[in-house]
Amino acid sequence: NAGVTQTPKFQVLKTGQSMTLQCAQDMNHEYMSWYRQDPGMGLRLIHYSVGAGITDQGEVPNGYNVSRSTTEDFPLRLLSAAPSQTSVYFCASKRTGRTEAFFGQGTRLTVV
Amino acid sequence: AQSVTQLDSQVPVFEEAPVELRCNYSSSVSVYLFWYVQYPNQGLQLLLKYLSGSTLVESINGFEAEFNKSQTSFHLRKPSVHISDTAEYFCAVSEGVNRGGSNYKLTFGKGTLLTVNP
Repeated sequence: NAGVTQTPKFQVLKTGQSMTLQCAQDMNHEYMSWYRQDPGMGLRLIHYSVGAGITDQGEVPNGYNVSRSTTEDFPLRLLSAAPSQTSVYFCASKRTGRTEAFFGQGTRLTVV
Repeated sequence: AQSVTQLDSQVPVFEEAPVELRCNYSSSVSVYLFWYVQYPNQGLQLLLKYLSGSTLVESINGFEAEFNKSQTSFHLRKPSVHISDTAEYFCAVSEGVNRGGSNYKLTFGKGTLLTVNP
């Protein structure tokens, strides 16, 4: 089983560039989310979606955009990369509130 | 809004010693509680969870956690740790009621780095 797949695993961007982090899951989960992980900060929620066509902001949404056109995919767009967006990004999916989240392997992004 | 506090950012221990990683949460409604483990350069994996029923939950690799509603805690324990337990551990909470999709979201603590030394 593939589970949650994130691409790319590593990325270096220049300030001002845009890019899309991909996330796909094959478990038919309604809920998908993006977190960023920074040292000493834990995981902070960027955006989430409770189903196709439905997205909402999390704790730290500024500078990021998302859409959910299918159940399987939940891409995260950086509109104009900034050094403050250097981080490790995790995508997660889950079913109802009673279940655990499944995480991808992460994308390590460096903005120079 | 819910929040999670992990009281120790780093816990160094010697191999075969017992360990406790502390987690406290706050929420105005009932909650589901989770412990995740992250090994170096990997994603997060579920270690154990409390949904309902028995307040003591166990994992397959010897960890256990006890839900204490009066103290709003969900501390993680292991009686004897191994070198391979070295990892970062995250406590997380989600709401037990659905308010506009709120029971989907996970709120994480800042993590506790467990380092097991020989």
